[in-house]
Formats: sequence, structure tokens, C-alpha cells
Amino acid sequence: DTGVSQDPRHKITKRGQNVTFRCDPISEHNRLYWYRQTLGQGPEFLTYFQNEAQLEKSRLLSDRFSAERPKGSFSTLEIQRTEQGDSAMYLCASSSRDRVSSGELFFGEGSRLTVL
Amino acid sequence: RKEVEQDPGPFNVPEGATVAFNCTYSNSASQSFFWYRQDCRKEPKLLMSVYSSGNEDGRFTAQLNRASQYISLLIRDSKLSDSATYLCVLGEGRRALTFGSGTRLQVQP
Repeated sequence: DTGVSQDPRHKITKRGQNVTFRCDPISEHNRLYWYRQTLGQGPEFLTYFQNEAQLEKSRLLSDRFSAERPKGSFSTLEIQRTEQGDSAMYLCASSSRDRVSSGELFFGEGSRLTVL
Repeated sequence: RKEVEQDPGPFNVPEGATVAFNCTYSNSASQSFFWYRQDCRKEPKLLMSVYSSGNEDGRFTAQLNRASQYISLLIRDSKLSDSATYLCVLGEGRRALTFGSGTRLQVQP
């Protein structure tokens, strides 16, 4: 399967702990996005990369959140000092320039975070 | 005010019915418009783009009204497999896509 893969699929952690999620995009895609989704809501944008450059971050993104894409391939999203409000599905998506202009993002199955 | 507003539903319709969803948006700089479909516990997937002239893909018709800043999706001859959440999505230049909260459709036998 050459789709977007995310790891881990599920993470349960205690409040105050740090967590890290990894995303491996479709190999030829140079754009990588992180979104967060809670029950009954649509995906909420967090940040995106074109190659290794982080081009946009949501104004709502707390400074406890940091994302990297060091070699322009896989990406990591780290949440420090987790809070119960961070509990959500963290979705990664990838695309290429042509696909973006047609609106097509390819999402992974997500990493579900539960903060106790 | 949310950037994208959708009626959350659920819309419960019988098989074969025609159903329509609307979506309104507040950002007049939005340049591109899409409908995504999200099945329960699955990731969102692109359903179709929306053009000012209106466009059709089989049983699905999408319309855009820029003056009133709303987008619609019409589904004819509903199938059980159409049951899903339909997300209204906007694009603006190089910015990341903005998703609405979605409208849930349940097609019943």
C-alpha cells in the first residue's frame, strides 16, 4: 500500500506527558499537512510543509505543538505537556502541487490521542 | 463566526430520495471549493470540486454562488452507500484547505 501512513494509530497518555506522532506521506508528494479532528467537527488545520519548509501554521496552534519535516519526507508532530483538550484524532495528509490545485489531499487513517 | 457553516444534520432520507446540502462561507477571498466525503471512523476523501457554472458527477451535482457565498451539493437517487458525512471545503491561494464541520447523511432502506 503506498498511501499515507501514520504511527501510532492510538495513543493513551497521562496529562502532562509528551507525545509524538509520525506521518509518512505518499512518496512523490512534496506537501504534507497536519489536521486535528474531534467528534462532530471537521478537520481543523494545524500546519503544513512544502518539502522541508513549514509554510503555514494555524494561529490557534499552541506553542506546545511543534512539527518537523527535516528531510522533506516523513514528518513528526510533537505535543508537549499534553492536556485533556488535546484529545483528538490527528490526521496527516499529503499532496502534490497539481493535486492541491484540484483540491485533492490524501489523508492517512489518523492517530487517535486520548489524554487522561 | 465560523469560516464555513454547515447544518450538522443528520438528514435521514429513504433510498431513492433526492437530498440537498448547503454550506455558507465568510471568507470572500476563497478561490476554490470542494466537497469531501467522510465515512464513519474513516479519513476524508475528495468527492468533487465545485465550479461557478455548476458541475455534475453521476448522481451528484455541485453549485457555487459567489455573490451569496454559498455552495450546495445535490444527491439524486440516494443509495444506502451514500450514508456518510459531507464536508464543505474551501481553498485560498497557497493556504491550506479549510474544512467545515460536515453534514451527516443517513440513507435508510
